[in-house]
Amino acid sequence: QAQLVQSGAEVKKPGSSVKVSCKASGGTFTSYTVSWVRQAPGRGLEWMGGITPFFGTPDYSQKFQGRVTMTADRSTSTAYMELSSLRSDDTAVYYCARYDSILGAFDYWGQGTLVTVSS
Amino acid sequence: DIVMTQSPDSLAVSLGERATINCKSSQSVLSSSDNKNYLAWYQQKPGQPPKLLIYWSSTRESGVPDRFSGSGSGTDFTLTISSLQAEDVAVYFCQQYYSTPTFGPGARVHIK
Repeated sequence: QAQLVQSGAEVKKPGSSVKVSCKASGGTFTSYTVSWVRQAPGRGLEWMGGITPFFGTPDYSQKFQGRVTMTADRSTSTAYMELSSLRSDDTAVYYCARYDSILGAFDYWGQGTLVTVSS
Repeated sequence: DIVMTQSPDSLAVSLGERATINCKSSQSVLSSSDNKNYLAWYQQKPGQPPKLLIYWSSTRESGVPDRFSGSGSGTDFTLTISSLQAEDVAVYFCQQYYSTPTFGPGARVHIK
């Protein structure tokens, strides 16, 4: 049974950066794509991008291109998402999720990390 | 990007009654290479991450009660809860992964 555990809540100033971690256990970390999905308060789900640790090459949503960096450390089975130039509308819960390409769906999700951007 | 829409955005259903949520994609999510619809349904309860219910438009994820069913192909899909239980109160999202993944806006199900 795979499990994804994310780092804790963050409060950031506008213009700064945040880095969220997602540690995987109970599964084959390198074979799956770890995606990042965010949810603004009371809003829907927005895919930001993903990375397959085996290949190491991330795929970013155009909306976040240039502002987001996704990495993966195979030695610790941990994925990271760093978002820079934070704005107030980046306030959201950020989820990591495992994408199973056979199912075509996100089958395991982290618990979420609340990032609050406020001056 | 493929745009996903859902209807209704909220519905009230009596316990034991049927709930039906519709999802429409702006273009087909049916893959010609494997004849599968890359359409999934998720359930999200307050303070929790989404939970995968259905993939390939109609295949239930392991452990999901059989009162949940999915149907449809191409651009039009439906999630049905055959007999609503109290624990089914949640927001339901559809999602496509035929191309860059996108989600529907969600449909809130509550008890009448």
